[in-house]
Amino acid sequence: EADIYQTPRYLVIGTGKKITLECSQTMGHDKMYWYQQDPGMELHLIHYSYGVNSTEKGDLSSESTVSRIRTEHFPLTLESARPSHTSQYLCASSESGYPQETQYFGPGTRLLVL
Amino acid sequence: ELKVEQNPLFLSMQEGKNYTIYCNYSTTSDRLYWYRQDPGKSLESLFVLLSNGAVKQEGRLMASLDTKARLSTLHITAAVHDLSATYFCAVRKGGGADGLTFGKGTHLIIQP
Repeated sequence: EADIYQTPRYLVIGTGKKITLECSQTMGHDKMYWYQQDPGMELHLIHYSYGVNSTEKGDLSSESTVSRIRTEHFPLTLESARPSHTSQYLCASSESGYPQETQYFGPGTRLLVL
Repeated sequence: ELKVEQNPLFLSMQEGKNYTIYCNYSTTSDRLYWYRQDPGKSLESLFVLLSNGAVKQEGRLMASLDTKARLSTLHITAAVHDLSATYFCAVRKGGGADGLTFGKGTHLIIQP
């Protein structure tokens, strides 16, 4: 079982607030990812990282930012939350150099912006 | 641009029956994944398929890959209620990018 953690699990917040969604993994994986998923829909890649000090934007245009200062930690920040940011955010990690490079997913953060 | 299409998107079937979920993708990729998601839960990895003709089986689920047709299938044999979930296929991006492109998912309900 993969050891990848996300906090908070649920967050209700008002418009305009700054929020940070936390993601940590204890597997020593070099690659980490953030996906956004609306209920019952597919996942969309919003950010990823190859390793420390590496961040890249994904397919889905997002007003969020990420940082990767430590291997195990990949937080996502919204400077000013809006109702359109309401969604589920899933963090994942994988280890490069293995043929499968399976991505393991965290439990997700459900965000509701009022 | 990589596109991943699954069908059907919704499937209701009876226990004991067999069925197949299809996943087509638009551009060449070196990895195809199948994930399971239960309501309100995260994603659980089921299979990773790497090469043409690859076949993997776990219990009542079997996945296969045809890279020439850009098609993967997830076959369910003698379905049981516990297999009710949403199944996603996902394809690894290429061309210097990373991450996965997901299909819309197949919402599977297995009725007694």
